[in-house]
Amino acid sequence: TQLLEQSPQFLSIQEGENLTVYCNSSSVFSSLQWYRQEPGEGPVLLVTVVTGGEVKKLKRLTFQFGDARKDSSLHITAAQPGDTGLYLCEGTSYGKLTFGQGTILTVHP
Amino acid sequence: DAGITQSPRYKITETGRQVTLMCHQTWSHSYMFWYRQDLGHGLRLIYYSAAADITDKGEVPDGYVVSRSKTENFPLTLESATRSQTSVYFCASSTSGKETQYFGPGTRLLVL
Repeated sequence: TQLLEQSPQFLSIQEGENLTVYCNSSSVFSSLQWYRQEPGEGPVLLVTVVTGGEVKKLKRLTFQFGDARKDSSLHITAAQPGDTGLYLCEGTSYGKLTFGQGTILTVHP
Repeated sequence: DAGITQSPRYKITETGRQVTLMCHQTWSHSYMFWYRQDLGHGLRLIYYSAAADITDKGEVPDGYVVSRSKTENFPLTLESATRSQTSVYFCASSTSGKETQYFGPGTRLLVL
């Protein structure tokens, strides 16, 4: 069974702080995706990483795929209240999709 | 409007009743998926379909039935609802099983 361990499960910070969310597994993934979900809506894709060591930036969000393609991180710089939401990682391995448990981020003004 | 829609958005039912959740997509995506989302479990795959008339079990298929007679529709049926099936259900579609999934807005189901 493939598992994606996502941490932390909850994160409550003040506006302007930095944060990192981690997604770890013992399995190797051909690709890994990060989604953001707002209350009452479905997840929306933020980024896909496919190459070991790959780093992608989306404004204040930085995504990194581990060299061995077993882990990934999402770093947010100077968090804003609009970043509040549920962040989900999803990995694809041998055609099977697995989601992490999610990180609920709350950014207080 | 183009996209992926789910209906109903909210549903309350009683234990033992049959419930069908609808999912419709206008992109002609080959793949469609049904997930349930529960706190602490993230998204868990119930069933998926690679094409019309092709369906396969996911991680938690027990108590659910799906069909895919048309590419654009992928209904999920709870044949005899149980309280443990109270959850938020998301439908998704993608061009292939490895590409970006596009999610519907979800159906919130309460089984009393």
